[in-house]
Amino acid sequence: KQEVTQIPAALSVPEGENLVLNCSFTDSAIYNLQWFRQDPGKGLTSLLLIQSSQREQTSGRLNASLDKSSGRSTLYIAASQPGDSATYLCAVRLYSGAGSYQLTFGKGTKLSVIP
Amino acid sequence: NAGVTQTPKFRVLKTGQSMTLLCAQDMNHEYMYWYRQDPGMGLRLIHYSVGEGTTAKGEVPDGYNVSRLKKQNFLLGLESAAPSQTSVYFCASRMRGLITEAFFGQGTRLTVV
Repeated sequence: KQEVTQIPAALSVPEGENLVLNCSFTDSAIYNLQWFRQDPGKGLTSLLLIQSSQREQTSGRLNASLDKSSGRSTLYIAASQPGDSATYLCAVRLYSGAGSYQLTFGKGTKLSVIP
Repeated sequence: NAGVTQTPKFRVLKTGQSMTLLCAQDMNHEYMYWYRQDPGMGLRLIHYSVGEGTTAKGEVPDGYNVSRLKKQNFLLGLESAAPSQTSVYFCASRMRGLITEAFFGQGTRLTVV
C-alpha cells in the first residue's frame, strides 16, 4: 500500500526566508504528484502538478521537484510571505486496481510565516 | 466559473439521521471523488465515479452510499449517521486521463452528535 509522508508536520519561519517542504512516498510507480495548499476551514487549492516523466515544475515563487526513483518530492518556496501561511499537502497518483488511478495524500505540513 | 461546489457547507446531525451531500462541477469532468479529512489522518477516499451512472468504493466506504445520475453531480449519502462520521468532507473532480489535475470543493463540515 502506498504511503505518503510529509516532514516536518509543522514549520515556522520568519518572513523573507526561503524554505523547503518534503514529501516521500513508498511506491515509486506513480503517474504524477500534486502539491496542494489548504487554508484553515477551506478546501484544497492545487499549486503544482508534476508528471512522472518530469523533474520539476515552477509557478511564481514555488518550485516543486520530483525524484521518482528515490520516492521524494520537495516544494521550494522562495522569499516567504505571511500570506503563504497554510497547510501544504502532497498527493501521488498511482494505479489502484480495476482500472482506477487514485490520489494518496500525505498528512500535510503546516507552515507559519512570521512577519 | 464556479468549479466544484459543495452543498451544504456546514451541518449538524443527530445519530441515526440521514442526509445527502451534493457536489456539483461545471468543468465537464468525467471523474469525481468524495474524501473525508480527519485530524491526524489526512484525506481518505470514500467513493469515486469515473463517469455518469458508475460508482466505486474507495478506502473507507462503509456507512456511505453515492450516486452519479448526472455527469455534473455526485451525491454522497449517509443513511444512518454515526459520531464516527463527524468529519470534513471534500469533493473533487478531474478530466479523464492519468495526467490530469484534480480540483477540490470548499468542503462540508459535518458534526454528528
